[in-house]
Amino acid sequence: DAGVIQSPRHEVTEMGQEVTLRCKPISGHNSLFWYRQTMMRGLELLIYFNNNVPIDDSGMPEDRFSAKMPNASFSTLKIQPSEPRDSAVYFCASSPRVGDQYFGPGTRLLVL
Amino acid sequence: QKEVEQDPGPLSVPEGAIVSLNCTYSNSAFQYFMWYRQYSRKGPELLMYTYSSGNKEDGRFTAQVDKSSKYISLFIRDSQPSDSATYLCAMTLDSWGKLQFGAGTQVVVTP
Repeated sequence: DAGVIQSPRHEVTEMGQEVTLRCKPISGHNSLFWYRQTMMRGLELLIYFNNNVPIDDSGMPEDRFSAKMPNASFSTLKIQPSEPRDSAVYFCASSPRVGDQYFGPGTRLLVL
Repeated sequence: QKEVEQDPGPLSVPEGAIVSLNCTYSNSAFQYFMWYRQYSRKGPELLMYTYSSGNKEDGRFTAQVDKSSKYISLFIRDSQPSDSATYLCAMTLDSWGKLQFGAGTQVVVTP
């Protein structure tokens, strides 16, 4: 199994641009989580899905952030417009059971 | 006050020593308790998973949960330089699996 796949691995963009992060979860996992990690705030949960349905998006910082999961094998996190304070590592994780989350390698986002 | 408190360290120990890590939490409704390990520039990976109070052992790793004190611990015996990483405690109170993570403790094991 290839594990959770995220793309791109690195993204450098300018303030105001749209950023789309992609995630392919492990086949058979019914939950998917998007996190953001920074030195200052640690690992923050942004949104999570169960069986492709958004369950809790209370961690999404602003309306500039949106996430979709059109099917069981794909999810996107979009930031529009991006701002320098959005610079962070964004992780996607999938889970087959409570507490057991498999994290992807992350996307390092730098907004100039 | 954060729901989960964890000392960020760094914690530096010589090779072969016992590493002791802990977290405290405020919400007595937490049911599942986990420890994740994160190497530099990698995603976290699940290390230990416990449900009830008590001890759970897996090789050199022992996880302890004390629900009455709202305190969880992770012990690493015979530490190795390859154990150098950040260790994050996590816990959840709902069946959806929404985790509340601690800040993470950076551990450095020196040869």
